[in-house]
Amino acid sequence: NAGVMQNPRHLVRRRGQEARLRCSPMKGHSHVYWYRQLPEEGLKFMVYLQKENIIDESGMPKERFSAEFPKEGPSILRIQQVVRGDSAAYFCASSRLAGGPGEQYFGPGTRLTVT
Amino acid sequence: DQQVKQNSPSLSVQEGRISILNCDYTNSMFDYFLWYKKYPAEGPTFLISISSIKDKNEDGRFTVFLNKSAKHLSLHIVPSQPGDSAVYFCAASGDGTGNQFYFGTGTSLTVIP
Repeated sequence: NAGVMQNPRHLVRRRGQEARLRCSPMKGHSHVYWYRQLPEEGLKFMVYLQKENIIDESGMPKERFSAEFPKEGPSILRIQQVVRGDSAAYFCASSRLAGGPGEQYFGPGTRLTVT
Repeated sequence: DQQVKQNSPSLSVQEGRISILNCDYTNSMFDYFLWYKKYPAEGPTFLISISSIKDKNEDGRFTVFLNKSAKHLSLHIVPSQPGDSAVYFCAASGDGTGNQFYFGTGTSLTVIP
């Protein structure tokens, strides 16, 4: 029973390039959440998706960031025209149920470095 | 606006003793609380949870206590083991959005053999 999978684990981009982060939820999970952890900070919620729908994107920056969870395939977090401040660890989590009660299972994260 | 706070960034405990990690929250709407454990270069792993209808939940060496009036929860680990050394995050949900967990900034626990 594979856990949440994220790839790549490490991603280096130059300023102005695009970053695409992928997340495959656990089997049987149809709810996906993206979090960002900046250095010295806790995880901050970005977006919550179900298949083909964005349910809550209240934590997403207004510009350059987008997320999708297509009917087939992984969820994608896309960051356009990356800047140094985007350097962070991006974690994806999945759950069987929406919100609580019920835990979210996290992937190992993608560490994005913008040079 | 940090709605969940862990004021101790680090804690050192001798092996075999009790570790107590604390967490405070500000939003009285939160009704579900969780603790996650995180090793370097890995994602957080769910440890234990508690709903607001309870004030205590126990799972083996881990016990979470919830004091709703004080908006405070704590995680007790007893006896502490070197393998418990990790960063511990508390999280809360249930503020009406139903979707997101609010995480604290984490406490790095070191258990000294």
